[in-house]
Amino acid sequence: TQLLEQSPQFLSIQEGENLTVYCNSSSVFSSLQWYRQEPGEGPVLLVTVVTGGEVKKLKRLTFQFGDARKDSSLHITAAQPGDTGLYLCAGGDGANNLFFGTGTRLTVIP
Amino acid sequence: NAGVMQNPRHLVRRRGQEARLRCSPMKGHSHVYWYRQLPEEGLKFMVYLQKENIIDESGMPKERFSAEFPKEGPSILRIQQVVRGDSAAYFCASAQGQANQPQHFGDGTRLSIL
Repeated sequence: TQLLEQSPQFLSIQEGENLTVYCNSSSVFSSLQWYRQEPGEGPVLLVTVVTGGEVKKLKRLTFQFGDARKDSSLHITAAQPGDTGLYLCAGGDGANNLFFGTGTRLTVIP
Repeated sequence: NAGVMQNPRHLVRRRGQEARLRCSPMKGHSHVYWYRQLPEEGLKFMVYLQKENIIDESGMPKERFSAEFPKEGPSILRIQQVVRGDSAAYFCASAQGQANQPQHFGDGTRLSIL
C-alpha cells in the first residue's frame, strides 16, 4: 500500500487569506490528482499532474508536483467561502490504481 | 459529478439484512472502482472491476462483501448479513482505462444500519 499523508488535517482561515496544503509520500507516483469533496457529494476532480516539477494553475488554485514525484502542494490565493471543503490528493501507480491521501478539511470564514 | 450514477443515495437496513448498491459508470468508461468513506476520513479502496471481471479486490472484506460488473447493466456492490460497522458512505468511480486517466466519482450511497 502506498501511503499519502496530507497536512494540515484541518485548516480554518479568514476570507481573503492565502493557504497551502501538502501531500507527501515516500513512494513515487506516475501521476497525482487533486479532488475536492463537499458534504453529501462525491469527490470532484480538480487537476491531474504527471511530470515532476509540473505546475498547473486553475484560477486562484496553484498545484505543484514535486521534482521526485513523491509529493505535491495546493496553494489557494485569496480564499473564498466557496473554497470550503475536503481536499484529497490521490497518487496513480501507472496502472489503473489510485491511492488516496488522508484529506485536508478547509473552512473559509466569511 | 454528472455521469456516474449511484443509487440509492440513502439506504437503511437492519442488522442481518442485505444491502445492494448500484453504480452506472460514465458513458464510454469500462473501469469501475468502489470505495468506502467513514466520517472525517479519506477514501478506502475496496474493489476494481472491468466488464465481467474483478481485477483487484484486495480492499474488500473476504466475507459478506461481493461485487460484480456484468456485461449489461450497472455494477453492484452487495453486502450480506449487514452489521453496524458497515455503516458508511460508499462511492463508485469510473475511468476510461488507460493509465493515469482520472477517476470520476458518483455522489455515493449512504448506508445506515439500524
